[in-house]
Amino acid sequence: GAVVSQHPSRVICKSGTSVKIECRSLDFQATTMFWYRQFPKQSLMLMATSNEGSKATYEQGVEKDKFLINHASLTLSTLTVTSAHPEDSSFYICSASETGALDEKLFFGSGTQLSVL
Amino acid sequence: RKEVEQDPGPFNVPEGATVAFNCTYSNSASQSFFWYRQDCRKEPKLLMSVYSSGNEDGRFTAQLNRASQYISLLIRDSKLSDSATYLCVVYTGGFKTIFGAGTRLFVKA
Repeated sequence: GAVVSQHPSRVICKSGTSVKIECRSLDFQATTMFWYRQFPKQSLMLMATSNEGSKATYEQGVEKDKFLINHASLTLSTLTVTSAHPEDSSFYICSASETGALDEKLFFGSGTQLSVL
Repeated sequence: RKEVEQDPGPFNVPEGATVAFNCTYSNSASQSFFWYRQDCRKEPKLLMSVYSSGNEDGRFTAQLNRASQYISLLIRDSKLSDSATYLCVVYTGGFKTIFGAGTRLFVKA
């Protein structure tokens, strides 16, 4: 099956620094990639949808200047958490869709556990 | 009201038991429905798609009732390895995916 690689799997950083998370589709071209955040014991919350070559679409309540998303190629999307604060500590997961069709299943990265001190 | 609501759980069942999870969604225009399984702090993995005609995969049966905006997952002959969180996922228009909060299942020997 299709594989989505996400790294780093875990990052610990100081408050005020920026952290970049990469999401790569290894054996298919991902027209659309999704970024989620998951707090402990809560469900995945969609943060933004990115389409290759265009600006990401952010969900309500997600600060686009704080969570920078770049989908520069059909196999790579990055999420940069800028000026991270302890409240940004969370589990971030990406997923990729080959065509973006509604009935197409998503392939998920393995997630990144971000801890901001 | 949340867009996708699931049984709060947790469900604690013995091995061999049959357990059913329910999920309701609020957007009547929703097009596609899935059940995902998520182990602790790992990525969700697709368990099965859900169709109006119902679909079965081994011990797992999924059902969709569009009129009631209701999705179900039935697990028969529960195994210890079935212990996980089960997420109801609804695709609406505009590439939007909505995840339910998940239902935690514990299967005990």
